[in-house]
Amino acid sequence: DSGVTQTPKHLITATGQRVTLRCSPRSGDLSVYWYQQSLDQGLQFLIQYYNGEERAKGNILERFSAQQFPDLHSELNLSSLELGDSALYFCASRRGTEKHGYTFGSGTRLTVV
Amino acid sequence: AQSVTQLDSQVPVFEEAPVELRCNYSSSVSVYLFWYVQYPNQGLQLLLKYLSGSTLVKGINGFEAEFNKSQTSFHLRKPSVHISDTAEYFCAVTSADRGSTLGRLYFGRGTQLTVWP
Repeated sequence: DSGVTQTPKHLITATGQRVTLRCSPRSGDLSVYWYQQSLDQGLQFLIQYYNGEERAKGNILERFSAQQFPDLHSELNLSSLELGDSALYFCASRRGTEKHGYTFGSGTRLTVV
Repeated sequence: AQSVTQLDSQVPVFEEAPVELRCNYSSSVSVYLFWYVQYPNQGLQLLLKYLSGSTLVKGINGFEAEFNKSQTSFHLRKPSVHISDTAEYFCAVTSADRGSTLGRLYFGRGTQLTVWP
């Protein structure tokens, strides 16, 4: 157990629907990063939060949004889902600066049918 | 921004043989470098990291990597692999901007290591 908890582990939904992925970072970690892993794109950075504030955006679609709550857990919202959104979504957390390393959760596998 | 190139998408090797997984990076600033391993249906686990100092870094499970600044490389090596090392390996880089609270990781496309008996 890495200490980063992601729920649910698996999600199957239909095109056009909306889902919410949840991430609880390791205790004490203020930074949360969301990544999407797909066969054709590899690991793509989506968005980062630090202590409740959005800090950086990567290749995140406008249909996707995220937030980090006061208790530091984060949610990634995916709407108007398309088949191409099927992927493994990872959350990672980090304590302090880059030197402290990143801890990844086990991911949520999203399948859009 | 930084980028990472993993030169081999697949590396097959026999058990107890040595292996090297190649990684090159591009960056206009100093960087920190990481290797992660992903076993089937699992998340990414940190193998080792280079922050500063000695260019030879030792990690878990007998892996080591050498940072070469002039060649902008960070190759991962293991002198004798086991079947249990079969997994996907990712090289990653982030800016070493001092005290940054940003520091997103840039990943390579991964190298699938398959160890045969």
